[in-house]
Amino acid sequence: NAGVTQTPKFQVLKTGQSMTLQCAQDMNHNSMYWYRQDPGMGLRLIYYSASEGTTDKGEVPNGYNVSRLNKREFSLRLESAAPSQTSVYFCASSEAPGLDEQFFGPGTRLTVL
Amino acid sequence: GNSVTQMEGPVTLSEEAFLTINCTYTATGYPSLFWYVQYPGEGLQLLLKATKADDKGSNKGFEATYRKETTSFHLEKGSVQVSDSAVYFCALSQSGGSYIPTFGRGTSLIVHP
Repeated sequence: NAGVTQTPKFQVLKTGQSMTLQCAQDMNHNSMYWYRQDPGMGLRLIYYSASEGTTDKGEVPNGYNVSRLNKREFSLRLESAAPSQTSVYFCASSEAPGLDEQFFGPGTRLTVL
Repeated sequence: GNSVTQMEGPVTLSEEAFLTINCTYTATGYPSLFWYVQYPGEGLQLLLKATKADDKGSNKGFEATYRKETTSFHLEKGSVQVSDSAVYFCALSQSGGSYIPTFGRGTSLIVHP
């Protein structure tokens, strides 16, 4: 039982390049989330998927897109990376939206030059 | 909208000292409240939670009581260890309407031998 897995662990991009961060969970959870963590800012929600087939914007969606590929997988895409997107990205899942605890992946550390 | 305010860090303590990390919240209705812990280089993991007023969450010697009258959920531990050094996040979530969980900015705890 791996929980929430994320790939890659580290990535360096040049400004303007694109990439997709992958996330998968094996807990049969309905809801999945993407956060970014910046020093002094805590966690900020980028996008979330309350259930398979739905996605919604969080606090900071600009410059990102997501795909809920199936119940297990939720990917985050940066179409044209910018230095302001340098951050640590966390994927999380929960059994249902709202009251349940979230389970987090180990994170992807992204640097955009 | 919902918000969570927690004390700024870092909090620096000697081993076996008493710990309090303050957390207050603003929310409509009856949210669930959580404390998450993040060890260096890892994702967040649930430390404890409480789902209704006057509930006490506890785990690994940490405790927090859901105080609706003061809208608080302060984290306490009677005797900290070096291994408790981490960043602690207070969070809330609620069902219905927006499913977006709200996190505080995190409090870094450093415990010296």
